[in-house]
Amino acid sequence: EIVLTQSPASLSLSPGERAALSCRASQNIKNYLVWYQQKPGQAPRLLIYDSSTRATGIPARFSGSGSGTDFTLTISSLEPEDFAVYYCQHRSSWPLTFGGGTRVEI
Amino acid sequence: EVQLLESGGGLVQPGGSLRLSCAASGFTFSNYAMSWVRQAPGKGPEWVSAISDSRGSTYYADSVKGRFTISRDNSKNTLYLQMNGLRAEDTAVYYCAKTGRGFGDYHWFDCWGQGTLVTVSS
Repeated sequence: EIVLTQSPASLSLSPGERAALSCRASQNIKNYLVWYQQKPGQAPRLLIYDSSTRATGIPARFSGSGSGTDFTLTISSLEPEDFAVYYCQHRSSWPLTFGGGTRVEI
Repeated sequence: EVQLLESGGGLVQPGGSLRLSCAASGFTFSNYAMSWVRQAPGKGPEWVSAISDSRGSTYYADSVKGRFTISRDNSKNTLYLQMNGLRAEDTAVYYCAKTGRGFGDYHWFDCWGQGTLVTVSS
């Protein structure tokens, strides 16, 4: 099973600042890395798939990078609605797994 | 508009069974692999099971293998999860999720249902 480790566990930032969230895989997953955003009481929302491809309707301030074992989700300038929990997920092999999440808080 | 609507959750005793359903609309259901993902209170998501499009191949997390069975009825646009031998650690909100691209194994999830709560307790 591939283990995804997200860091930091939480991040305190202000609107307008840049956020960089890390996801590290326990083995090479090529570019098969997905990012989601989740707000309280809601289902996760797809942001990025295959490391760097933004999903439909996702603002350009969200970008993803990385390959192999190290990946980053960058939010270039935080908007108030971006304060949430972010999860990574791999789709490289079975079983699919998620990371433990990074909480981005004000 | 793509919609997924789960049902069938509830309170069940340890060792009991439940069958979850997910009614899909707004897309050609038979063309897409589907998954169940659960989220325990205060925890991150955990993938549970997947089923391929029309080919019907199935996959399970080790934590549910042998106890849960995923299936689909493409004529009814419905996904199912039969859960037997339920344990306290199965308590979670269960989401059905649609993969992002049809006709293959594109296991990112671009649409999620609202979730149905399963509580396993005596």
